[in-house]
Amino acid sequence: GAGVSQSPSNKVTEKGKDVELRCDPISGHTALYWYRQSLGQGLEFLIYFQGNSAPDKSGLPSDRFSAERTGGSVSTLTIQRTQQEDSAVYLCASSLDLAGWVSYEQYFGPGTRLTVT
Amino acid sequence: ELKVEQNPLFLSMQEGKNYTIYCNYSTTSDRLYWYRQDPGKSLESLFVLLSNGAVKQEGRLMASLDTKARLSTLHITAAVHDLSATYFCAVDPNSGGGADGLTFGKGTHLIIQP
Repeated sequence: GAGVSQSPSNKVTEKGKDVELRCDPISGHTALYWYRQSLGQGLEFLIYFQGNSAPDKSGLPSDRFSAERTGGSVSTLTIQRTQQEDSAVYLCASSLDLAGWVSYEQYFGPGTRLTVT
Repeated sequence: ELKVEQNPLFLSMQEGKNYTIYCNYSTTSDRLYWYRQDPGKSLESLFVLLSNGAVKQEGRLMASLDTKARLSTLHITAAVHDLSATYFCAVDPNSGGGADGLTFGKGTHLIIQP
C-alpha cells in the first residue's frame, strides 16, 4: 500500500517568507509526527497528533512554527517568517495508535528539504 | 530529559567482519527502535524492541534490548557492502502510555569496504 507522502520534496525560500509543508500519512494511521533533521541538531521531534489533536506543542522550535491536522489525515507544518536556521529536512511519520496496539512503530515519509536563502 | 547516546558515531569496516553498535539511553523505557538511513533518503524501520531481553534478527543484523542496563545493541555479522548506511536508534519516552515522539541518537555512519 501507499506509504507516507510529503510535499514538496524540495523548497527553496527567501528569508522572511512563510512556507507550508504537507504530510499525507498512511491510510488508517491515527498518529502523525513531525521531525526535523539537520546537520547540527540531528533528528529532533517537533510535534505529534493523535487524530486532529496535538497534546504537546513544546517541541516546536519557536512560535513561528505551527502545525495542524484536519480530518484525521493530512497535516501541514507552517513556518512563518523563515530564518536561515530553519533550513533542514522536515520528516513526517505516522503510526497506528489503537488501544491494545503497543508497537507504535513509526513509518517515515521521504521528507521535505527546506533551504532558506 | 531523555538522552540517547550511540557509539561509535563513525565506523569503517571490511566486508566479512563482525561489529556491534551500542545505544545507551538515560531514562526508563521499554520501547526502542532501530532505523536505517541511506544518503538522501528517509528512515527505514529495521527493528522494534518492546521488552527487556527482546532480540530480533533480520539477515546479517541482530538487535537486542536490555532495559535494566538501558542499553540496546545492533550487531552486524559478516558485513557486506550493501549494509553501508547510517543507523539510528530511537527511544520512546512514554512507556506504557500512548504513542509519542521518539528521541533519536546521533546515528552511526557505517562504511563497509570491499
